[in-house]
Amino acid sequence: AQTVTQSQPEMSVQEAETVTLSCTYDTSESDYYLFWYKQPPSRQMILVIRQEAYKQQNATENRFSVNFQKAAKSFSLKISDSQLGDAAMYFCAYRSASNFGNEKLTFGTGTRLTIIP
Amino acid sequence: GAGVSQTPSNKVTEKGKYVELRCDPISGHTALYWYRQSLGQGPEFLIYFQGTGAADDSGLPNDRFFAVRPEGSVSTLKIQRTERGDSAVYLCASSPPGQGYTEAFFGQGTRLTVV
Repeated sequence: AQTVTQSQPEMSVQEAETVTLSCTYDTSESDYYLFWYKQPPSRQMILVIRQEAYKQQNATENRFSVNFQKAAKSFSLKISDSQLGDAAMYFCAYRSASNFGNEKLTFGTGTRLTIIP
Repeated sequence: GAGVSQTPSNKVTEKGKYVELRCDPISGHTALYWYRQSLGQGPEFLIYFQGTGAADDSGLPNDRFFAVRPEGSVSTLKIQRTERGDSAVYLCASSPPGQGYTEAFFGQGTRLTVV
């Protein structure tokens, strides 16, 4: 079974600064997807960024980028120019790419990000 | 609306009672997932529907939990003889049909409190 570990229960960053959230995972599969989701107080999970394991290039979405280290099974999220609206819980998640239709996600325990004005 | 809708938003019930939680997926989405998020934890998979059938119910914790999706659209998660340990946020997600990667869209969840 796959596992996802987030070792930082809480992080804080000054507004406009950069912060990195850590995630490690364990799997025996070679083809999979990794995700970062944001969960604000509204509870709705919002997809921030996705990485396909077969792609060596790190994914980037505007101020959000990842550092994907496949051999080390590490997947960190970097948020640049942090904004007050970035404050939320952030979850790292794993999904197999070989289940053909069953796209269930395995989540970590989350990191609560606080933005300091 | 255009998103995944879950009702009720909050539900308080007494220990031992029966509850139903509803999920209305995005129109046209064939896959539907239920997750349970306990306090301080990430969501945990419960069950996956492809159309009307439960294709994977390996995450249901015990036989008090049951889910249906009779017409391949709306799904209902049913919990019998509720226990205080069932208190959690229950999230629903749906995704469209397609080959390769398809994105899952989440609702805002139902917060269930068993007193």
